[in-house]
Amino acid sequence: DGGITQSPKYLFRKEGQNVTLSCEQNLNHDAMYWYRQDPGQGLRLIYYSQIVNDFQKGDIAEGYSVSREKKESFPLTVTSAQKNPTAFYLCASSMSLSGNYEQYFGPGTRLTVT
Amino acid sequence: SQQGEEDPQALSIQEGENATMNCSYKTSINNLQWYRQNSGRGLVHLILIRSNEREKHSGRLRVTLDTSKKSSSLLITASRAADTASYFCATVDLYSGAGSYQLTFGKGTKLSVIP
Repeated sequence: DGGITQSPKYLFRKEGQNVTLSCEQNLNHDAMYWYRQDPGQGLRLIYYSQIVNDFQKGDIAEGYSVSREKKESFPLTVTSAQKNPTAFYLCASSMSLSGNYEQYFGPGTRLTVT
Repeated sequence: SQQGEEDPQALSIQEGENATMNCSYKTSINNLQWYRQNSGRGLVHLILIRSNEREKHSGRLRVTLDTSKKSSSLLITASRAADTASYFCATVDLYSGAGSYQLTFGKGTKLSVIP
């Protein structure tokens, strides 16, 4: 089964704790992305990566960090510096970074920080 | 920053009716894409229309693009209860240089199809 997986589906954390969200794809895609979605809103880009060991900040990178040690994996860490971390987080991938390709999305992780 | 703005924000129709959603955007684009999101799930790509195309079809979906008005519409014909979802347009800017990959999403139209 080809696709993109995210785990866990739901995540609860206490304020002040870092938390890492997993994203794996077996589509052999070069580009991967992390988005944040708040209720009734569109998606906002947090980080993206076009190749292993390379990643760039998106529109709302503050308080987040990523790594891309393997082509298949692009984990996102929500740090304690993120002021409002409760949100729905979506990982996506595409064949390349070119905007001419559709993006494939994972099922999302809903993070709640109290 | 938000580029596409969908209209209406919410739409409720009876099964079998057609549903039309509109998207307006601000800058020159390379392409415009429509995505669907079922409640609490990831997005699914529906259709991509390039700036030099005016209309595109995929099954019961018809997308139009009017670059002079900076707008697009998504028509779903003969709607079904299973079409209930949020629909987002996303644009790729033409002149964003190194950022020319970036999809900029609107806030979406929430479609409810009543059986």
